[in-house]
Amino acid sequence: DQQVKQNSPSLSVQEGRISILNCDYTNSMFDYFLWYKKYPAEGPTFLISISSIKDKNEDGRFTVFLNKSAKHLSLHIVPSQPGDSAVYFCAASAGSYNTDKLIFGTGTRLQVFP
Amino acid sequence: EPEVTQTPSHQVTQMGQEVILRCVPISNHLYFYWYRQILGQKVEFLVSFYNNEISEKSEIFDDQFSVERPDGSNFTLKIRSTKLEDSAMYFCASRDRAIHNEQFFGPGTRLTVL
Repeated sequence: DQQVKQNSPSLSVQEGRISILNCDYTNSMFDYFLWYKKYPAEGPTFLISISSIKDKNEDGRFTVFLNKSAKHLSLHIVPSQPGDSAVYFCAASAGSYNTDKLIFGTGTRLQVFP
Repeated sequence: EPEVTQTPSHQVTQMGQEVILRCVPISNHLYFYWYRQILGQKVEFLVSFYNNEISEKSEIFDDQFSVERPDGSNFTLKIRSTKLEDSAMYFCASRDRAIHNEQFFGPGTRLTVL
């Protein structure tokens, strides 16, 4: 049951460049999407979110884009910094349908090298 | 900054034993959750809790699992008779009133069942 998919298990980017992490979903009922960052031995840390009524949300170096017709979202990190090295999880929920559980993707390990 | 805390950080138990994992959600939050992540797999929803009752649970959350908010601050997950396959990281999360607010995660408890 892979309703949320992150097809790239890893990504390596040079410091200062753009990191683009992708996420696809299959459930049309999802109406809220979130990105979490996770370091080893820690819990997921919220980064940024987007409602399905929007196609873009920006917060500092982080921008999330949503393409509902393609059921695709992406997280852009510009400029990438070594401290951004972590596992990034895409998550989705269907709050309008009386459920707020988060469905997570499998994660993408981002490595930012100097 | 307020945060979700969890104890213990690591719990080792024998198969068949009962364990209780503890969480202190952020103080003004009203919705509480447990998720787990088996090593190498994605984060999975277990249960959500609101107004002193379970609002939703996954197929994983069978009769061996229970949750409780015994006082105004703690939120616990009990596994009555642990199995080897219960070995995982268990994350507690909480959020405040609005449906589309992000869930804040604790650092997790690593449960090892021998």
